[in-house]
Amino acid sequence: KAGVTQTPRYLIKTRGQQVTLSCSPISGHRSVSWYQQTPGQGLQFLFEYFSETQRNKGNFPGRFSGRQFSNSRSEMNVSTLELGDSALYLCASSLTGESNQPQHFGDGTRLSIL
Amino acid sequence: AQSVAQPEDQVNVAEGNPLTVKCTYSVSGNPYLFWYVQYPNRGLQFLLKYITGDNLVKGSYGFEAEFNKSQTSFHLKKPSALVSDSALYFCAVRDPGDRGSTLGRLYFGRGTQLTVWP
Repeated sequence: KAGVTQTPRYLIKTRGQQVTLSCSPISGHRSVSWYQQTPGQGLQFLFEYFSETQRNKGNFPGRFSGRQFSNSRSEMNVSTLELGDSALYLCASSLTGESNQPQHFGDGTRLSIL
Repeated sequence: AQSVAQPEDQVNVAEGNPLTVKCTYSVSGNPYLFWYVQYPNRGLQFLLKYITGDNLVKGSYGFEAEFNKSQTSFHLKKPSALVSDSALYFCAVRDPGDRGSTLGRLYFGRGTQLTVWP
């Protein structure tokens, strides 16, 4: 069974630009969560989607947004990029998002802002 | 509020020796606890979880973890370390209630860098 796939693996952008990251969950998984990983802040929760609905959102500005499609694939968008947005963005999927289910992670998208 | 602490940034151990990576948690109610490992330039890989039942949980690659409710701890252990175990280890907790602000959300510790030398 294929794992969680994130594309692209690496991105370089400049301040002010916007970016879209993609995540394909494990087949049959309907819950997708996104996390930002930085050396200074560690792993921080961005948002979670289930059946095309955002059920939860972390403490990030409105420049960070996402969506989920009917096939459970998810995208996140960051507008007006800032230097501090440089990070590894991780997507994780689980069957239904219930708390007793482990989340399975992709290898992430490394975003660098120049 | 849910939180996880990993008191050691770095753990060093010789190959063949037992290893322990420490984790303590704070959560309202009974916790759901997880361990993940991250290798360089990779995502997080699930190792094991504690939901209920036996306090000793066995996971992938020979790892196990012991849940201790009185000490609010969930330490990761392995009887004999391998050089290939060298990686960054994360402890995480979920709120079993899954309501509102906790839906779909893992709360992670800061991570512990494990180095196993030959």
